[in-house]
Amino acid sequence: DQQVKQNSPSLSVQEGRISILNCDYTNSMFDYFLWYKKYPAEGPTFLISISSIKDKNEDGRFTVFLNKSAKHLSLHIVPSQPGDSAVYFCAAGASNQGGKLIFGQGTELSVKP
Amino acid sequence: DTAVSQTPKYLVTQMGNDKSIKCEQNLGHDTMYWYKQDSKKFLKIMFSYNNKELIINETVPNRFSPKSPDKAHLNLHINSLELGDSAVYFCASSNRGLNTEAFFGQGTRLTVV
Repeated sequence: DQQVKQNSPSLSVQEGRISILNCDYTNSMFDYFLWYKKYPAEGPTFLISISSIKDKNEDGRFTVFLNKSAKHLSLHIVPSQPGDSAVYFCAAGASNQGGKLIFGQGTELSVKP
Repeated sequence: DTAVSQTPKYLVTQMGNDKSIKCEQNLGHDTMYWYKQDSKKFLKIMFSYNNKELIINETVPNRFSPKSPDKAHLNLHINSLELGDSAVYFCASSNRGLNTEAFFGQGTRLTVV
């Protein structure tokens, strides 16, 4: 039972354009959401998060949107840069779960020059 | 000054052996975790310790035993290794209850032959 799903295993975008990575979840108890970026042979690196009381959070080129009614969140990267090429993981947590994060299966983003 | 460091980075061993992976964090966090990334790239939580106390144990075989000598260290000991234990194991840490991001180590790629 995959509670967090990233249905696109890969995404290819031209440099300078917008990258949109999507994530869906099923558990209504999740109240915070995070995006991680992962390069090969490295651990996931935190990128941006959003609390369930918000619908948008922005940090530089990265914006996360949360649609609670649809149980959907997305990460927008604009403009995309070749260095953004990595695997992006969506993760969700519930405040009463001791910090446990449930991860999606990841989307591999390739930004082409 | 790595925030979360785990050793070794690569571990190749034979079936039936016992091995340990060590993890240390210098972030002053009170909670540490072990996650497993399997061949399908899913990242799944295995254990969580808060101030040396086990708080999450996700139906992991009892051949896996985490040990936390202090809140900055969480080691993972695996007995009687099986082929199916081959995966990448990530250690992480965070502050429990603050809905903050978890910081991950670089991973240990375990290969059982």
